[in-house]
Formats: sequence, C-alpha cells, structure tokens
Amino acid sequence: AQSVAQPEDQVNVAEGNPLTVKCTYSVSGNPYLFWYVQYPNRGLQFLLKYITGDNLVKGSYGFEAEFNKSQTSFHLKKPSALVSDSALYFCAVRDSVNNDMRFGAGTRLTVKP
Amino acid sequence: ETGVTQSPTHLIKTRGQQVTLRCSSQSGHNTVSWYQQALGQGPQFIFQYYREEENGRGNFPPRFSGLQFPNYSSELNVNALELDDSALYLCASRQMTRTYNSPLHFGNGTRLTVT
Repeated sequence: AQSVAQPEDQVNVAEGNPLTVKCTYSVSGNPYLFWYVQYPNRGLQFLLKYITGDNLVKGSYGFEAEFNKSQTSFHLKKPSALVSDSALYFCAVRDSVNNDMRFGAGTRLTVKP
Repeated sequence: ETGVTQSPTHLIKTRGQQVTLRCSSQSGHNTVSWYQQALGQGPQFIFQYYREEENGRGNFPPRFSGLQFPNYSSELNVNALELDDSALYLCASRQMTRTYNSPLHFGNGTRLTVT
C-alpha cells in the first residue's frame, strides 16, 4: 500500500531563514505526491503536487518541493520563512487502488521572529 | 467560485447516539471524500463518493455510512457513537480525472465531541 512518513513532529526556524519539512514515501508504481497546510481550526489547504516531470515543484505562497526518486523523498522547502508560515504541514500520497489520499502524521512548523 | 462548506461546525453527542454531518462540494467538482482527523494526527480516509456511489472506503466500520446527492453535496452518518469517534471530520471535493493528479479541496470541518 502507498504511504508517506514525516520523520519530524516539530520544526523550528527563525524568520528569514530557509525551511525544510521532510517527507519520505513508499509506493508501488508512479508516485502522486502532495503537500497540504492546516491552520488552527481550519481544513487543509493544497500547496503543491508532484505527478511527473521536473523534480523541483513550485507551489503556493513561495513553497516548493524537491522530488528525489533515489532517496524516495519529497521535502517541502521555502527559501525565506515568514512568521505567518507557522502551521501544521501534511505530506500525502494518492492511492489509486482505493481512490484515497494517505496523509502523514504532520509536522508542526514554528517560525520565530 | 464557492468552496467546500460543512455544517455544523461543532457538535456534541452522547455515546450511542447517531449523527449526520453535511457537506457542499466546491462548484464543478463531482467527487467527495470524507476524512477523520483525531487530535494530533493526520486525516484518515473514511470513504469517497463519485456519481452518488461509494467508490472507495478506508478501514472504518459499517456504522460509518454516507450519501452523495445529484447536486454533489454529501452526508456522513455515524451510528452508535463511541467515545473514540470524537474528532474533526473533514469533507473534501475534487474533479475526478482519469489520472490521479487533481488535488483535494477541503472544508473547515465539523468538530464532533462524544461524551
């Protein structure tokens, strides 16, 4: 079955510094990978996706993600963090058998001024 | 463009009761999915509806059931509520495609508390 793992529960960065939120995946076949962000008491918002093509995917709010097939990773990145980026981030993979999206446990990002 | 809306936003029920949660899909979307998000965890897939039929189900018991209506709105019904059913229930919609690259669009969820 398809799955993703987010090895870090919490990531802390200073405002203006680059940020990375890690995700590794396990899939059979082609991976369809996504990143979502969740603010308090809100649903999840789509940030970006990887289907095929360029390994560097650009998304909303200045976020990008790097797909690495040899390391089975799909890390989320941003060159310069903002305090407003503080939120819960979820990596997800599409399971084409069950038509569902499988989410990681989430990583809480805190950006300090 | 109208986004995904869910009602109610909060709900408190007693163990053993039944609950119905409602969702209006984003306009233009023909597929709706429901997820359960327990505190501190990622969303867990309950089921998906396409053209008013269930076409995917996660590891949830039959007391979790759903409906999709011709206007693509949806309901999640949970019977015989248990304390562990306390969670944020998220509805998400998307346009079904032959590939699997359409992202989910989520509502803000219904917070269900079972006492």
